[in-house]
Amino acid sequence: TQLLEQSPQFLSIQEGENLTVYCNSSSVFSSLQWYRQEPGEGPVLLVTVVTGGEVKKLKRLTFQFGDARKDSSLHITAAQTGDTGLYLCAGAPNSGYALNFGKGTSLLVTP
Amino acid sequence: DTGVSQDPRHKITKRGQNVTFRCDPISEHNRLYWYRQTLGQGPEFLTYFQNEAQLEKSRLLSDRFSAERPKGSFSTLEIQRTEQGDSAMYLCASETGNEAFFGQGTRLTVV
Repeated sequence: TQLLEQSPQFLSIQEGENLTVYCNSSSVFSSLQWYRQEPGEGPVLLVTVVTGGEVKKLKRLTFQFGDARKDSSLHITAAQTGDTGLYLCAGAPNSGYALNFGKGTSLLVTP
Repeated sequence: DTGVSQDPRHKITKRGQNVTFRCDPISEHNRLYWYRQTLGQGPEFLTYFQNEAQLEKSRLLSDRFSAERPKGSFSTLEIQRTEQGDSAMYLCASETGNEAFFGQGTRLTVV
C-alpha cells in the first residue's frame, strides 16, 4: 500500500484568511485526486492532477502536483465558511486498481 | 440525478445479524469500488469490480463480507454475523478514467 500523509490534520481559521494543506508520499502516483467531504456524505471530487508540476485552479482553490508526482498541495485563498469540510487526497497507484486515501485535513472556517 | 446512489443511507442492526447494502453506479461506468470509512480516517479500499468481475479484494474483506455485481450494473455488499467493529460508513464509487465518483454512503451502526 502506498501511504499518503496529509497535514495539518486539523485547521481552524477565520473567514478571509488563506491556507495551504499538504499531501505527501514516498511513492509515485500516476495521478492524484483531491476530494472534499462533509459530515455524513460521500467525498466529492474537486480535481485530478496527472502531470508532474501541474497546477490547476478552481475558483479560489489552487492545486499543485509535485514534479516527482509524490506530493501535492491545495491552497485556498480568502476562505469562506462554505469551505468547511474534510479535504482528502487520493493517489492512483501505478499497479492495482484502488485509490489510496490520506486521512484528510479537517478544515473549519469561522465567520 | 445521474450520480452514484446508495441504499439505505443509514442502517442500525444488532450484533450477529446480516445486512446488505446496494449501490447503483453511474450508468456508463464499468468500474465499481466499495470502500469503508471510520471516524477520523480516509476511505479504505474493500473491493473492486470491472463489469461483473470482482478483480481485487482487500485483506480488510473478511470471509463475513461478500460483494456481487450481477450483470455488471448495480452491486451489493453483504456483511454476515455483524460485529461492533463493522460500524462504519460504507462508500461505493464508480469510475471513469482515474476519477472516482462516490455515493452518499451507508452509515452502519452495530449495537
